[in-house]
Amino acid sequence: GNSVTQMEGPVTLSEEAFLTINCTYTATGYPSLFWYVQYPGEGLQLLLKATKADDKGSNKGFEATYRKETTSFHLEKGSVQVSDSAVYFCALKSSNTGKLIFGQGTTLQVKP
Amino acid sequence: DGGITQSPKYLFRKEGQNVTLSCEQNLNHDAMYWYRQDPGQGLRLIYYSQIVNDFQKGDIAEGYSVSREKKESFPLTVTSAQKNPTAFYLCASSRKWAEANTEAFFGQGTRLTVV
Repeated sequence: GNSVTQMEGPVTLSEEAFLTINCTYTATGYPSLFWYVQYPGEGLQLLLKATKADDKGSNKGFEATYRKETTSFHLEKGSVQVSDSAVYFCALKSSNTGKLIFGQGTTLQVKP
Repeated sequence: DGGITQSPKYLFRKEGQNVTLSCEQNLNHDAMYWYRQDPGQGLRLIYYSQIVNDFQKGDIAEGYSVSREKKESFPLTVTSAQKNPTAFYLCASSRKWAEANTEAFFGQGTRLTVV
């Protein structure tokens, strides 16, 4: 079945450091891929998405490229800020099933 | 502003009681979902609805029930049969169930605690 695997956290970085959060997936069909962010005590917000192979999603300095050959969708940001501290979820949705499937989430803590 | 509203934000339940969590959306979305989130875990799908008057069990439906009598509303009842109901519950919606390229929009969540 479809599944998403994220790198385990927590990830702790200093402000202005480079961020990578790894995400790989297993899916049938042609899924779309998403990154969501969750701030403490809140729901999830869409951060970025990519709907086909080689697409790059980007938003607020974050970006991720849909790599079909490596079944990956790693999240990157060149210079993190304290305000980026949150939990990040990788997710996929396949038109075959309609279900949105999430990874287990990666907690990012950015220190001043 | 369009969005999804969950209420209440915090809910306390005594053991043996049923409680209902509210979810309303004004996005005109066909599909709605309920997820459960536990510390350190991802989101697990409880129930989903592709269209009004229809709903399907997700991965962890035991001890839960839903209804979808109106397009805007998808309430979740946590019954006394749910053995471990303390969790953060998230409601979401999307334009169409089977559209792979459309994202889901989430409410702010309800934190349920059994006392």
